[in-house]
Amino acid sequence: SQQGEEDPQALSIQEGENATMNCSYKTSINNLQWYRQNSGRGLVHLILIRSNEREKHSGRLRVTLDTSKKSSSLLITASRAADTASYFCATDGAAGNKLTFGGGTRVLVKP
Amino acid sequence: DTGVSQDPRHKITKRGQNVTFRCDPISEHNRLYWYRQTLGQGPEFLTYFQNEAQLEKSRLLSDRFSAERPKGSFSTLEIQRTEQGDSAMYLCASSLPFPGTGVGGELFFGEGSRLTVL
Repeated sequence: SQQGEEDPQALSIQEGENATMNCSYKTSINNLQWYRQNSGRGLVHLILIRSNEREKHSGRLRVTLDTSKKSSSLLITASRAADTASYFCATDGAAGNKLTFGGGTRVLVKP
Repeated sequence: DTGVSQDPRHKITKRGQNVTFRCDPISEHNRLYWYRQTLGQGPEFLTYFQNEAQLEKSRLLSDRFSAERPKGSFSTLEIQRTEQGDSAMYLCASSLPFPGTGVGGELFFGEGSRLTVL
């Protein structure tokens, strides 16, 4: 079963626009992570936010975490065509020993 | 050592045949994970190792699946008597837990092994 669920499932935007996707999960966590996957490739880690953090930035990425609502969001600012990919959130659960992934948000950035 | 490597990248087999995938993790990583991913879905956890010990197996891992990590380095995932439903991308990842906590950090994924069962 997949603990994290992303919303929306798909997103189409113009280059330069911002892309926002959300993730909801069900159990307590130690940390939540976001990954990116280009078609047919492996996943690449983007950012990790710990359960005691509320917001984190990395370049054009901004992640928020609301543990009371068991939700997170990923914002990509000033999107580029190269940002076209699937984005997955993943949570580690209380044991913190493995990641459970959501179904992903497929982002298309049109030039 | 530049990352996690998986072999083969693609495998086409006939139903009923056995297949084996190999994963070489980043050398200093003591945790190794196997995930399965079907088209349009997120990765599903199959199993993970800490050093050579297999610590958890998903119920998705039927009796036809077996994974090993004999010396705590590379790992193999074998599927016996393959079925068409086994067609998927099999992803391997490695990681180091945060020091002193046992909580996992980021996963480093290989490019995956795509299995097609005819």
